[in-house]
Amino acid sequence: AQSVSQHNHHVILSEAASLELGCNYSYGGTVNLFWYVQYPGQHLQLLLKYFSGDPLVKGIKGFEAEFIKSKFSFNLRKPSVQWSDTAEYFCAVNAPYGNNRLAFGKGNQVVVIP
Amino acid sequence: ETGVTQSPTHLIKTRGQQVTLRCSSQSGHNTVSWYQQALGQGPQFIFQYYREEENGRGNFPPRFSGLQFPNYSSELNVNALELDDSALYLCASSSEGASNSGANVLTFGAGSRLTVL
Repeated sequence: AQSVSQHNHHVILSEAASLELGCNYSYGGTVNLFWYVQYPGQHLQLLLKYFSGDPLVKGIKGFEAEFIKSKFSFNLRKPSVQWSDTAEYFCAVNAPYGNNRLAFGKGNQVVVIP
Repeated sequence: ETGVTQSPTHLIKTRGQQVTLRCSSQSGHNTVSWYQQALGQGPQFIFQYYREEENGRGNFPPRFSGLQFPNYSSELNVNALELDDSALYLCASSSEGASNSGANVLTFGAGSRLTVL
Protein backbone atom coordinates (compact mmCIF):
# COMPACT_ATOMS: atom_id res chain seq x y z
CA ALA A 1 0.00 0.00 0.00
CA GLN A 2 1.08 3.53 -0.68
CA SER A 3 1.90 6.01 2.08
CA VAL A 4 2.68 9.71 1.89
CA SER A 5 4.83 11.87 4.18
CA GLN A 6 4.53 15.62 4.47
CA HIS A 7 6.79 17.49 6.88
CA ASN A 8 6.56 20.90 8.55
CA HIS A 9 2.86 20.66 9.20
CA HIS A 10 2.58 24.37 10.06
CA VAL A 11 4.24 26.93 7.80
CA ILE A 12 4.04 30.68 8.38
CA LEU A 13 5.52 33.10 5.90
CA SER A 14 5.16 36.65 4.62
CA GLU A 15 3.71 37.71 1.31
CA ALA A 16 6.19 37.54 -1.58
CA ALA A 17 8.21 34.84 0.17
CA SER A 18 8.88 31.60 -1.65
CA LEU A 19 7.11 28.42 -0.59
CA GLU A 20 8.24 24.84 -0.90
CA LEU A 21 6.32 21.94 0.62
CA GLY A 22 7.90 18.52 0.68
CA CYS A 23 6.11 15.30 -0.22
CA ASN A 24 7.61 11.84 -0.16
CA TYR A 25 5.78 8.65 -0.93
CA SER A 26 6.53 5.02 -0.43
CA TYR A 27 5.49 2.78 -3.29
CA GLY A 28 7.72 0.85 -5.62
CA GLY A 29 5.63 0.96 -8.75
CA THR A 30 4.22 3.54 -11.11
CA VAL A 31 2.20 6.22 -9.36
CA ASN A 32 -0.08 9.11 -10.09
CA LEU A 33 0.67 12.15 -7.93
CA PHE A 34 -1.55 15.00 -6.82
CA TRP A 35 -1.57 18.13 -4.75
CA TYR A 36 -4.93 19.20 -3.36
CA VAL A 37 -5.66 22.46 -1.58
CA GLN A 38 -8.32 23.33 0.95
CA TYR A 39 -8.92 27.06 1.40
CA PRO A 40 -10.59 28.16 4.65
CA GLY A 41 -14.25 27.16 4.61
CA GLN A 42 -14.01 25.49 1.21
CA HIS A 43 -13.81 21.93 -0.02
CA LEU A 44 -10.74 20.09 -1.27
CA GLN A 45 -9.82 21.03 -4.81
CA LEU A 46 -7.12 19.94 -7.20
CA LEU A 47 -4.03 22.14 -7.45
CA LEU A 48 -2.05 20.03 -9.89
CA LYS A 49 -1.38 16.45 -10.92
CA TYR A 50 1.30 14.28 -12.48
CA PHE A 51 0.59 11.13 -14.44
CA SER A 52 3.49 10.87 -16.89
CA GLY A 53 5.75 12.94 -19.13
CA ASP A 54 7.51 16.15 -18.08
CA PRO A 55 8.28 15.76 -14.37
CA LEU A 56 7.83 19.50 -13.82
CA VAL A 57 4.12 20.15 -13.57
CA LYS A 58 2.44 23.52 -13.52
CA GLY A 59 -0.87 24.00 -11.76
CA ILE A 60 -3.27 26.76 -10.95
CA LYS A 61 -2.41 30.03 -9.21
CA GLY A 62 1.30 29.88 -10.04
CA PHE A 63 2.03 26.62 -8.27
CA GLU A 64 4.32 23.97 -9.69
CA ALA A 65 5.61 20.60 -8.53
CA GLU A 66 8.52 18.44 -9.55
CA PHE A 67 8.43 14.66 -9.60
CA ILE A 68 11.81 13.13 -8.78
CA LYS A 69 11.42 9.41 -9.18
CA SER A 70 14.78 8.51 -7.62
CA LYS A 71 13.83 10.38 -4.46
CA PHE A 72 10.17 9.28 -4.40
CA SER A 73 9.32 12.96 -4.06
CA PHE A 74 6.77 15.39 -5.47
CA ASN A 75 7.54 18.76 -3.87
CA LEU A 76 5.25 21.74 -4.35
CA ARG A 77 6.64 25.21 -4.99
CA LYS A 78 5.50 28.76 -5.51
CA PRO A 79 8.08 31.53 -6.04
CA SER A 80 6.06 34.33 -4.44
CA VAL A 81 3.07 33.66 -2.21
CA GLN A 82 0.06 35.87 -1.63
CA TRP A 83 -2.21 36.21 1.38
CA SER A 84 -4.85 34.29 -0.59
CA ASP A 85 -2.57 31.22 -0.59
CA THR A 86 -3.39 30.70 3.07
CA ALA A 87 -4.78 27.16 3.06
CA GLU A 88 -4.09 23.54 3.88
CA TYR A 89 -2.18 21.62 1.23
CA PHE A 90 -2.36 17.86 0.81
CA CYS A 91 -0.13 15.62 -1.25
CA ALA A 92 -1.76 12.43 -2.49
CA VAL A 93 -0.76 9.39 -4.51
CA ASN A 94 -2.52 6.49 -6.14
CA ALA A 95 -1.39 3.52 -8.06
CA PRO A 96 -2.80 3.17 -11.58
CA TYR A 97 -5.42 0.44 -11.80
CA GLY A 98 -5.65 0.37 -8.03
CA ASN A 99 -9.29 1.33 -7.62
CA ASN A 100 -8.42 5.03 -7.78
CA ARG A 101 -8.02 5.17 -4.02
CA LEU A 102 -5.91 8.12 -2.96
CA ALA A 103 -3.41 7.94 -0.12
CA PHE A 104 -3.07 11.40 1.42
CA GLY A 105 -0.37 12.94 3.54
CA LYS A 106 -1.25 14.70 6.78
CA GLY A 107 -1.21 18.08 5.12
CA ASN A 108 0.63 21.38 5.48
CA GLN A 109 -1.20 24.27 7.09
CA VAL A 110 0.20 27.36 5.36
CA VAL A 111 -0.46 30.84 6.72
CA VAL A 112 0.64 33.83 4.67
CA ILE A 113 0.96 37.07 6.60
CA PRO A 114 0.13 40.23 4.61
CA GLU B 1 -22.55 21.50 -13.89
CA THR B 2 -23.33 20.85 -10.25
CA GLY B 3 -20.60 19.69 -7.92
CA VAL B 4 -20.67 17.07 -5.20
CA THR B 5 -23.21 17.77 -2.48
CA GLN B 6 -23.28 16.15 0.93
CA SER B 7 -25.81 16.10 3.74
CA PRO B 8 -26.05 16.77 6.55
CA THR B 9 -23.23 19.26 6.98
CA HIS B 10 -22.99 18.75 10.73
CA LEU B 11 -24.43 16.23 13.14
CA ILE B 12 -23.95 15.04 16.69
CA LYS B 13 -24.52 11.46 17.82
CA THR B 14 -23.81 9.45 20.94
CA ARG B 15 -21.78 6.27 21.26
CA GLY B 16 -23.57 3.18 20.01
CA GLN B 17 -25.89 5.06 17.69
CA GLN B 18 -26.02 4.68 13.93
CA VAL B 19 -25.57 7.39 11.30
CA THR B 20 -26.30 7.73 7.58
CA LEU B 21 -24.50 10.30 5.46
CA ARG B 22 -25.59 11.15 1.95
CA CYS B 23 -23.80 12.23 -1.20
CA SER B 24 -24.90 13.34 -4.63
CA SER B 25 -22.19 12.94 -7.23
CA GLN B 26 -21.21 15.51 -9.80
CA SER B 27 -23.14 15.38 -13.02
CA GLY B 28 -21.54 12.89 -15.41
CA HIS B 29 -19.68 11.02 -12.68
CA ASN B 30 -20.45 7.35 -12.05
CA THR B 31 -18.06 6.49 -9.23
CA VAL B 32 -18.23 7.60 -5.62
CA SER B 33 -15.54 7.31 -2.96
CA TRP B 34 -15.77 8.04 0.75
CA TYR B 35 -12.96 9.35 2.93
CA GLN B 36 -12.65 9.98 6.66
CA GLN B 37 -10.63 13.02 7.75
CA ALA B 38 -9.86 13.14 11.45
CA LEU B 39 -8.71 16.41 12.98
CA GLY B 40 -5.13 17.21 11.98
CA GLN B 41 -4.93 14.31 9.57
CA GLY B 42 -5.24 13.80 5.85
CA PRO B 43 -8.27 12.04 4.39
CA GLN B 44 -8.28 8.24 4.74
CA PHE B 45 -9.93 6.08 2.07
CA ILE B 46 -12.96 4.18 3.35
CA PHE B 47 -14.39 2.61 0.20
CA GLN B 48 -15.46 3.24 -3.37
CA TYR B 49 -18.69 2.41 -5.21
CA TYR B 50 -19.14 1.79 -8.90
CA ARG B 51 -22.21 0.31 -10.57
CA GLU B 52 -23.88 0.05 -7.19
CA GLU B 53 -21.21 -2.29 -5.84
CA GLU B 54 -18.28 -1.79 -3.53
CA ASN B 55 -15.16 -1.46 -5.66
CA GLY B 56 -12.33 -1.33 -3.17
CA ARG B 57 -12.14 -0.80 0.57
CA GLY B 58 -9.65 0.73 2.95
CA ASN B 59 -8.76 -0.37 6.46
CA PHE B 60 -12.15 0.23 8.06
CA PRO B 61 -14.27 -2.28 10.00
CA PRO B 62 -17.49 -3.80 8.61
CA ARG B 63 -19.63 -1.42 10.68
CA PHE B 64 -18.77 1.09 7.97
CA SER B 65 -20.97 0.24 5.01
CA GLY B 66 -22.30 2.00 1.98
CA LEU B 67 -24.71 2.02 -0.89
CA GLN B 68 -24.77 3.46 -4.35
CA PHE B 69 -28.04 4.11 -6.15
CA PRO B 70 -28.89 3.95 -9.86
CA ASN B 71 -28.54 7.74 -10.11
CA TYR B 72 -24.95 7.33 -8.77
CA SER B 73 -25.72 9.01 -5.45
CA SER B 74 -24.39 7.23 -2.39
CA GLU B 75 -24.82 6.70 1.33
CA LEU B 76 -22.29 5.97 4.04
CA ASN B 77 -23.64 4.13 7.07
CA VAL B 78 -21.78 3.72 10.32
CA ASN B 79 -23.17 1.43 13.02
CA ALA B 80 -22.27 1.24 16.70
CA LEU B 81 -20.61 4.64 16.68
CA GLU B 82 -17.40 5.09 18.67
CA LEU B 83 -15.79 8.28 19.91
CA ASP B 84 -12.98 7.86 17.36
CA ASP B 85 -15.50 8.03 14.55
CA SER B 86 -15.70 11.77 15.14
CA ALA B 87 -14.36 13.23 11.90
CA LEU B 88 -15.15 15.00 8.66
CA TYR B 89 -16.53 12.52 6.14
CA LEU B 90 -15.77 13.42 2.56
CA CYS B 91 -17.48 12.14 -0.53
CA ALA B 92 -15.72 12.35 -3.87
CA SER B 93 -16.98 11.48 -7.30
CA SER B 94 -15.21 10.69 -10.55
CA SER B 95 -15.85 9.13 -13.91
CA GLU B 96 -13.32 6.43 -13.22
CA GLY B 97 -15.45 3.38 -13.43
CA ALA B 98 -13.96 -0.04 -13.90
CA SER B 99 -10.86 1.13 -15.76
CA ASN B 100 -9.34 2.38 -12.52
CA SER B 101 -6.46 4.06 -14.28
CA GLY B 102 -6.32 6.46 -11.39
CA ALA B 103 -6.05 9.25 -13.88
CA ASN B 104 -9.50 10.66 -13.32
CA VAL B 105 -9.47 13.48 -10.86
CA LEU B 106 -11.72 13.24 -7.84
CA THR B 107 -14.20 16.05 -7.17
CA PHE B 108 -14.80 16.42 -3.46
CA GLY B 109 -17.81 17.63 -1.56
CA ALA B 110 -17.64 19.93 1.44
CA GLY B 111 -18.07 17.04 3.86
CA SER B 112 -20.26 16.00 6.75
CA ARG B 113 -18.80 16.72 10.17
CA LEU B 114 -19.74 14.02 12.64
CA THR B 115 -19.25 14.45 16.36
CA VAL B 116 -19.72 11.41 18.58
CA LEU B 117 -20.24 12.11 22.28
